[in-house]
Amino acid sequence: KAGVTQTPRYLIKTRGQQVTLSCSPISGHRSVSWYQQTPGQGLQFLFEYFSETQRNKGNFPGRFSGRQFSNSRSEMNVSTLELGDSALYLCASSLTVFSGNTIYFGEGSWLTVV
Amino acid sequence: AQSVTQLDSHVSVSEGTPVLLRCNYSSSYSPSLFWYVQHPNKGLQLLLKYTSAATLVKGINGFEAEFKKSETSFHLTKPSAHMSDAAEYFCVVSEGGSQGNLIFGKGTKLSVKP
Repeated sequence: KAGVTQTPRYLIKTRGQQVTLSCSPISGHRSVSWYQQTPGQGLQFLFEYFSETQRNKGNFPGRFSGRQFSNSRSEMNVSTLELGDSALYLCASSLTVFSGNTIYFGEGSWLTVV
Repeated sequence: AQSVTQLDSHVSVSEGTPVLLRCNYSSSYSPSLFWYVQHPNKGLQLLLKYTSAATLVKGINGFEAEFKKSETSFHLTKPSAHMSDAAEYFCVVSEGGSQGNLIFGKGTKLSVKP
């Protein structure tokens, strides 16, 4: 069974540009969430989707957005990139949204903003 | 409000000696607790989880953790460290029905000396 797949794995963008990251969850999983990981702030929750609906959102500016498709695949978008957006972006999936569900993470997308 | 404190940012052990990574949590309800491991340039891999069943939880690669409600602790242990255990370890607490309620500790970097 394939794990959580994230593309692209590595990318470099210029300040002011926008970026779209993609995530394919484990087959059968309907919940997808996104996290930002930086050395200074650690792991921070971005948003969570279940059945194409955003269920929860972390404390990030509106430049960060996401969506989920009917096949549970998800994308996140960051517009008007800033240097501070350089981070590892992790996608995670689980069967449902209930507490205690095992959450599986992808290997992440490394974003560098120059 | 829930929170997680990993008491050591860095732990160094010799190969073949025991590992102890400490985690204290704060939660208003009965939480679910997880330990994840992150090897360099990789995503997060689930080691084990506690969801109100047995208080001693066995995970992969010989790791285990004990839930102690009276001490609000969920320390991770392994009897004998292996070089491949060198990585960063995250303690995570969840008490709600949403991944948005996942709280990550700051992480403990484990070094294993030959």
